[in-house]
Amino acid sequence: AQSVSQHNHHVILSEAASLELGCNYSYGGTVNLFWYVQYPGQHLQLLLKYFSGDPLVKGIKGFEAEFIKSKFSFNLRKPSVQWSDTAEYFCAVISYSGGGADGLTFGKGTHLIIQP
Amino acid sequence: NAGVMQNPRHLVRRRGQEARLRCSPMKGHSHVYWYRQLPEEGLKFMVYLQKENIIDESGMPKERFSAEFPKEGPSILRIQQVVRGDSAAYFCASSPADEQYFGPGTRLTVT
Repeated sequence: AQSVSQHNHHVILSEAASLELGCNYSYGGTVNLFWYVQYPGQHLQLLLKYFSGDPLVKGIKGFEAEFIKSKFSFNLRKPSVQWSDTAEYFCAVISYSGGGADGLTFGKGTHLIIQP
Repeated sequence: NAGVMQNPRHLVRRRGQEARLRCSPMKGHSHVYWYRQLPEEGLKFMVYLQKENIIDESGMPKERFSAEFPKEGPSILRIQQVVRGDSAAYFCASSPADEQYFGPGTRLTVT
């Protein structure tokens, strides 16, 4: 079964610091990769996605992620965080196993706190 | 274009009662997914439906849980004879194809 690991459960940074959140998945076949964000009191929103092509994908609000197939990784980055980036971040994978797409498999999430 | 709608947002049930959670997908979306989020856990896939069909229910508990997505109306996640362990946030997502859009969730509390 597919699994997704997010290595940092809680991250605290100061404004303007650089951010990298790790994500590794287990499935060796074709995958689509996503990062979702959940701001306090709000529902999940898509930050960015990778389906194919350029492994460096750019998302909303200055976020980007790099797909490294050999490492089964899809780390999320942002050069300079803002206080408004305080949220829960979820990495998710959808795998294709011949019969079509399955549901998303999520990591446990990373709670990011940005201190002013 | 309205997003994915879920109601109720909060639901309190006593042990043994039934819980019905509703999800209205975005207009034009024919795929619906249900997920459950337990405290300190990520979202866990439960079931994937298309109109009138269950495509994948590999994440659904074998007993007491059922889901439907009728030809008309919202998708329903039904939990019979709820127990305290069913307390969680239940999220619905809809999709036109590969990208899933999430609703605000229903927070179920079983007392």
